[in-house]
Amino acid sequence: QKEVEQNSGPLSVPEGAIASLNCTYSDRGSQSFFWYRQYSGKSPELIMSIYSNGDKEDGRFTAQLNKASQYVSLLIRDSQPSDSATYLCAVSNDYKLSFGAGTTVTVRA
Amino acid sequence: DVKVTQSSRYLVKRTGEKVFLECVQDMDHENMFWYRQDPGLGLRLIYFSYDVKMKEKGDIPEGYSVSREKKERFSLILESASTNQTSMYLCATVLGGTRSTDTQYFGPGTRLTVL
Repeated sequence: QKEVEQNSGPLSVPEGAIASLNCTYSDRGSQSFFWYRQYSGKSPELIMSIYSNGDKEDGRFTAQLNKASQYVSLLIRDSQPSDSATYLCAVSNDYKLSFGAGTTVTVRA
Repeated sequence: DVKVTQSSRYLVKRTGEKVFLECVQDMDHENMFWYRQDPGLGLRLIYFSYDVKMKEKGDIPEGYSVSREKKERFSLILESASTNQTSMYLCATVLGGTRSTDTQYFGPGTRLTVL
């Protein structure tokens, strides 16, 4: 079983819609949770971090964490063509980050 | 802003060559990482350094070594490059003490092709 699993995608959404990305993890001791966005040919850039159960909102992005279910999600509201990218879920225990394989999102104009 | 630079964006080497990938950060961060990224596999940790001359193996250290002689510089070495080491290599750094769980910042990446 992979340590971090993401919905496989690709995910195609119309402009203005909500994109929903899901991630589950296996290590119950995980402490920190991150969502990175990666454009094709570029390196990952952090868009959200979340450390406690509940929701965290930043602009059009909302991260949700449920440690009991070992589940973290990312919602992108009012999706824009510039949101078309691969989204990586990363989970940290101690210093080590474990990454999911990523979900590719395409926003259709 | 954190700045992480890598010595090359694209590199082509031949099987058996010794390859050096260099990463430099300008924020005095203690912790530095080397990952490789392959389609469908995500990012996998090769090596980690939490201080000058200190290193720890990650998940896939075989075929690689590292060097950290100065705090700002972390080098990844492929002792004898092989075709299965063709990949995107990403360096990352993180603020905080040893084993910090804070945000990791990535360099631009080096796409290495081994022929």
